[in-house]
Formats: sequence, structure tokens, C-alpha cells
Amino acid sequence: GAVVSQHPSRVICKSGTSVKIECRSLDFQATTMFWYRQFPKKSLMLMATSNEGSKATYEQGVEKDKFLINHASLTLSTLTVTSAHPEDSSFYICSAKGGFTDTQYFGPGTRLTVL
Amino acid sequence: AQKVTQAQTEISVVEKEDVTLDCVYETRDTTYYLFWYKQPPSGELVFLIRRNSFDEQNEISGRYSWNFQKSTSSFNFTITASQVVDSAVYFCALSELGNQGGKLIFGQGTELSVKP
Repeated sequence: GAVVSQHPSRVICKSGTSVKIECRSLDFQATTMFWYRQFPKKSLMLMATSNEGSKATYEQGVEKDKFLINHASLTLSTLTVTSAHPEDSSFYICSAKGGFTDTQYFGPGTRLTVL
Repeated sequence: AQKVTQAQTEISVVEKEDVTLDCVYETRDTTYYLFWYKQPPSGELVFLIRRNSFDEQNEISGRYSWNFQKSTSSFNFTITASQVVDSAVYFCALSELGNQGGKLIFGQGTELSVKP
């Protein structure tokens, strides 16, 4: 139980384009989803927290217009990196938490490369 | 302020050795959760354990054991008889109950390399 999927697992795009990453909870309803960014050999940096049906809460220093988060249903959240630039290249990981638990379950991550 | 410190950046052991990964945390709250996650080379974080601040009992799960000591604000993780498949980055994390839906504060991670 508590499986979270992410799609795509890898994406390469040109500078200036937008990229959408999907995060799905497969066997539970995720009342809260989190988006993280991880640089090589570094820890996870929380970008934003989203609750189903409401606006995401962004961490300090994260541009909300650049990283659009939508949590339209209890099983799906999306992160859109708008007008991507090479410095946005990173490993993006989502996690989900249901009302039944205080444990976050993580997706497999998406490696974004912006050329 | 909340903080999690994993002082060991990298540890290298030979198979079958026991290894302990240290985790020290700081929080002003009296109620919180502590977690350990494993991140193998594939990248996915695998949940290992959650411990409530009110429960100081040590836990054992197969070759894994955890030692929670509130007096020293530590939550150390021991792998006995390590195996090559244990090679991964291990993260300790803290979550304060009621804190914005329970966001996690991660330590820097400890990269464990188990050699055959």
C-alpha cells in the first residue's frame, strides 16, 4: 500500500519551454502533496505544500509563477516548470500524505534537464 | 528553529559489518515525528520508520534497529550484518505535528557504501 507514481521519470527540454510533471497516489487519497527539489549529493529542498482543492503554499525563495502547482483531485498533483532554463535542471520528487497517516510516501522522482 | 543534523556525510563498510548512522535533531515542540528514509541509486525515497516523540522504545525490524533518545535529541539507525544492497543515501527527517500539514525537515543525508 501507499504507492506514489510520478510521470515522466526523465524529461529533456529546450530552454524557454514549459514542462509538466504529474504525481499520483495510486492506492490512497492524498489530502496533502509535497514537491521537493534535490541537487546532486544534496538533501531534499521543500518547494511547496499543496492541499486538495486549495492553493499551494510555497516555501520562501520559490517563485510561484515559475513553479505552478495544481492539486485538483485527491490522487493527482501537477508541477509545471514554466519557461524552463538550464538552472532549473534538477531532480524533482513529490510525496503524498493521506488523512490516515502522518507519513509522507515518495514518488520515484523526475529528472529534468533543460538544454 | 527545527533542524536535523547527520554529521556523517559518507560511511564505507565491508559486508557483514554493523554500521550506525547518527541523527541529531532540534525542535522546540514537545510533539513531533522522526523518520528515516532510504534513497537507493534509483532515486526513490523508501520509508523505513516513523517514531512519535512520546514513544522512546527502541525498534527492531530484521537487520535494522533504531535508538531514540530524547535526552540527547538523537535518533540513530543501526544496520547489523550489512549487505551490498544496503548501499544508499539515508535521510533522517523531523516533522512537527500540526506544522503546515506536517512538512518534513531533512538532514543532509549519509551515503552508505557497503563493499563485498
